[in-house]
Amino acid sequence: KNQVEQSPQSLIILEGKNCTLQCNYTVSPFSNLRWYKQDTGRGPVSLTIMTFSENTKSNGRYTATLDADTKQSSLHITASQLSDSASYICVVRGSGGSYIPTFGRGTSLIVHP
Amino acid sequence: KAGVTQTPRYLIKTRGQQVTLSCSPISGHRSVSWYQQTPGQGLQFLFEYFSETQRNKGNFPGRFSGRQFSNSRSEMNVSTLELGDSALYLCASSLGGDRLNTEAFFGQGTRLTVV
Repeated sequence: KNQVEQSPQSLIILEGKNCTLQCNYTVSPFSNLRWYKQDTGRGPVSLTIMTFSENTKSNGRYTATLDADTKQSSLHITASQLSDSASYICVVRGSGGSYIPTFGRGTSLIVHP
Repeated sequence: KAGVTQTPRYLIKTRGQQVTLSCSPISGHRSVSWYQQTPGQGLQFLFEYFSETQRNKGNFPGRFSGRQFSNSRSEMNVSTLELGDSALYLCASSLGGDRLNTEAFFGQGTRLTVV
């Protein structure tokens, strides 16, 4: 069964600090992995899309890494801001019969001033 | 450029009724996907349409159905509503669908409450 596990479930950090969110998956064969940011009451917003051949991708202060061998991804947030407070969701798509996207439960990040 | 528009934003229905939700994608986008989000299950994939054809379907009962029109607008329908169908229903549009690894843009969602 395809699974996506995210950790930690929740995280509280001080403004200006860095943090790293983890995503482990069992989806195989692998097609792509996406990180989304979802503010409360709003739809998710895409941060990065990574395919098998990519191991790092940045979007401003957000940097995602992918290790397709160990089936792990991380999202690093640099110099956090209050507006980074949100849920961060990892989504993995397989190919062929695993094409339906599998979602992680998300990491709830709270940035305190 | 207008974003993805979902209507209505909020809806209250009674058990046993049916409901139709609408999604207007970004102009030029041909792929529309639907998702259900609940506190208990998180985000779950319902189905994906591309050029009026359903390409993928998630693990939901047949009460959940959808369609896409020639202008790429999409609707999803839930019949014989159950309390457990209460959720935020999100749609996302993209240029070519996930097979091209194109970016997906989500709407604000429709909050459905079944009483």
